[in-house]
Order: sequence, then C-alpha cells, then structure tokens
Amino acid sequence: EDQVTQSPEALRLQEGESSSLNCSYTVSGLRGLFWYRQDPGKGPEFLFTLYSAGEEKEKERLKATLTKKESFLHITAPKPEDSATYLCAVQPSNDYKLSFGAGTTVTVRA
Amino acid sequence: KAGVTQTPRYLIKTRGQQVTLSCSPISGHRSVSWYQQTPGQGLQFLFEYFSETQRNKGNFPGRFSGRQFSNSRSEMNVSTLELGDSALYLCASSRTGPSTDTQYFGPGTRLTVL
Repeated sequence: EDQVTQSPEALRLQEGESSSLNCSYTVSGLRGLFWYRQDPGKGPEFLFTLYSAGEEKEKERLKATLTKKESFLHITAPKPEDSATYLCAVQPSNDYKLSFGAGTTVTVRA
Repeated sequence: KAGVTQTPRYLIKTRGQQVTLSCSPISGHRSVSWYQQTPGQGLQFLFEYFSETQRNKGNFPGRFSGRQFSNSRSEMNVSTLELGDSALYLCASSRTGPSTDTQYFGPGTRLTVL
C-alpha cells in the first residue's frame, strides 16, 4: 500500500528564516510526486510535479527536490504570506489516484 | 479562465438524510475527481470521472456515489448520512486525468452532519 509521511507536522518560522519540509514515500513505481499549498477554508493549490529522482523545480521562494525515497520543499526567506499547509501526494505508475500526506502547517511570523 | 467551482459551499444535514454536491470543472477539462478531507484522515480519494464514466474508485462504501454529465459537470451523492461523513469535500479537474495532467482543486463543500 502506498504511504506518504510528511514532517514536521507543524513549523513556526520567523520571517526570513529559511527551512525545509520533508515528504517520505513508499510506492510501487512512482509516476509523479505533487506538492500543493492549502490555505484555511480553501482547496489545495497546485505548486509542483516531480517525476524522477534528481529533478528540481522552483517557484518564487519555494524549491522542490526529489530523491528515490523522499522529497523536500525548501522555503527560502519566507514571508507571512507563505503561511499555509503544504501537502505532498504521490501517484503510483499503476494507478490513477493520488495518495496524500497529512501535511505540514507552516506559520511565518513577521 | 474561471477555476473549479463547487456548490453549495456549506451544508448542514442530519443523520440518515442524503446530500448531493455539485462540481463544475475548468472549461475544457474532462476529468473530475472527488476527495474527502478530514482532520483525522487527511485527503482521501473517492472517485474519478472522465467522459461520463467512472474510471477509478477509492475505498469508500457504496453510500458514496457520483456521476458526470455530458458538459463534464459532476455531482456526488451521499446517502444515509452518518456523523463521520462530516468533512470538506473537494473536487479537482484536469484535462485528461490525474495520471497525465495536473489537477486543479475547487474551494470545497463543507458538510456538517448533526
């Protein structure tokens, strides 16, 4: 069974204090790994898709990387508007559905 | 380009009742997936529809059903509501399906079962 574990559960940062979120996964053949951002009361917002180990993608202050067993979401010099829950999901190569992790809730204080 | 819309945004029902939720995908998107989100279980896949056919299904009881219309709009129905069905129900659309294309989520319908 596919498993996705995100750590830490919660992260409190000072504005400008860079940090990383971890997503470790177990899947029988990875089609893709997805990162989403979710604000309270809203649906997840797509950030990145990573397909193979070694791949990296960047968007503003966010950078996602992928290895064979885990993915990292690096937040560089975060701002209060980066506060959200970040969700990781994996899609196996033999299935359509995504399996989501529980998420990491990031709070950035000014 | 308009995003995914879901109606209603909030619903309060009592146990035993049934409920229908609606999702309008992004124009041109033919795949609609439904998810249940709860604090304890996180986001869990319910089912996916493509061109009016259910293409994939998660591990939920038969009380949860759905359909898709020719214009790609989708509805989800939950019969005989239980307290544990209280959740945020999200739909996501994509052009060709979650295996080949990015999914975009709607704002969700918050269902409370009393």
